[in-house]
Amino acid sequence: EPEVTQTPSHQVTQMGQEVILRCVPISNHLYFYWYRQILGQKVEFLVSFYNNEISEKSEIFDDQFSVERPDGSNFTLKIRSTKLEDSAMYFCASRSSRGQAGELFFGEGSRLTVL
Amino acid sequence: DQQVKQNSPSLSVQEGRISILNCDYTNSMFDYFLWYKKYPAEGPTFLISISSIKDKNEDGRFTVFLNKSAKHLSLHIVPSQPGDSAVYFCAASAHTGNQFYFGTGTSLTVIP
Repeated sequence: EPEVTQTPSHQVTQMGQEVILRCVPISNHLYFYWYRQILGQKVEFLVSFYNNEISEKSEIFDDQFSVERPDGSNFTLKIRSTKLEDSAMYFCASRSSRGQAGELFFGEGSRLTVL
Repeated sequence: DQQVKQNSPSLSVQEGRISILNCDYTNSMFDYFLWYKKYPAEGPTFLISISSIKDKNEDGRFTVFLNKSAKHLSLHIVPSQPGDSAVYFCAASAHTGNQFYFGTGTSLTVIP
């Protein structure tokens, strides 16, 4: 069964360091997402990506964040200068189409711990 | 701005009985709703969805009900099994946008 894969599963970093979280979405999917969940809180939307550009982003997704699809298979989330409050579980998701035609498939998540 | 709300953070049910998880939303533009199940340290797994043209969708032990006038949906699990113990999130989207809005989740415990 096709799945979304994420690496690393856990990353520990010092405040101010750059972090790149990687995702391989399901191969025939066209829409890609990053969500995050701070411990004990709701799953929060960060950004959606379609046709090689950002289609929507939340207010969380400020200038410290960027996304890329560098090679047609990977989808990356970069945090330029991490803050303590960036500590969270980051989930990549993909879907085949928008609207009512398809659900989001999530990866297992990357746990980011900022010290 | 909490557009999707799950007011019960936790629920305990005896094995074999019905579990009812509730979700409310505020945005009348939402027209597609999903339920996800999440185990600790894993990503959310899709369970069942419903579009606004329906008021009920059933898949095995799982049934989702949608009340558009009340902006309310519920997930029924019958019969509940210990393996159903997890956090359940409802999510909503509008055809005008790309993102899904998630509720805060309800932690279901099914007691054997």
